[in-house]
Amino acid sequence: GAGVSQSPSNKVTEKGKDVELRCDPISGHTALYWYRQSLGQGLEFLIYFQGNSAPDKSGLPSDRFSAERTGGSVSTLTIQRTQQEDSAVYLCASSRDRGPGNTIYFGEGSWLTVV
Amino acid sequence: DAKTTQPPSMDCAEGRAANLPCNHSTISGNEYVYWYRQIHSQGPQYIIHGLKNNETNEMASLIITEDRKSSTLILPHATLRDTAVYYCIVRVASGGYNKLIFGAGTRLAVHP
Repeated sequence: GAGVSQSPSNKVTEKGKDVELRCDPISGHTALYWYRQSLGQGLEFLIYFQGNSAPDKSGLPSDRFSAERTGGSVSTLTIQRTQQEDSAVYLCASSRDRGPGNTIYFGEGSWLTVV
Repeated sequence: DAKTTQPPSMDCAEGRAANLPCNHSTISGNEYVYWYRQIHSQGPQYIIHGLKNNETNEMASLIITEDRKSSTLILPHATLRDTAVYYCIVRVASGGYNKLIFGAGTRLAVHP
């Protein structure tokens, strides 16, 4: 596709429910990143994928958070037993490769509200 | 932690050049300087990046000092739509790859 695509764009869920957020990176991009931004806060790194493997999961805030990537393309971020503090915009990004000269492009994000 | 320091806010008159400074005194020789901006809570928009040389594209110019310890993003003719938070980021090598660590950025307000 032309850019990084994320779905859903907005999600309201009840506390305790599980949610899945989807990311379609730019075609041909091998590196994929998830970030989170709470209201009025900065962007927080969550996880990085190179192909289907995740060499850096250091930003995942708890074991309720997990992510996978299949076919070297689509990625899903899953949050189990959601809590109100999980409310944030979840941003996905991708780059052609992992080197520092490869620009990282962001999607428009998935807004999650836990009520 | 972010390796950059930026002023928290700046103002600019519409039509004038906006010069946004960034200090990155601990930058390493193989680390790039990237600039992004974020309007409201939309996804960050890539602006420009550079290693050693000054760079220019259709959006902006990036001036990097010779010692690479600081840089300036220049928007040559600011418009109201350039009002946003601008992030200066040093691409940090970690575990064999390079991720973006965002700081607080500079909130640029362009006024009529």
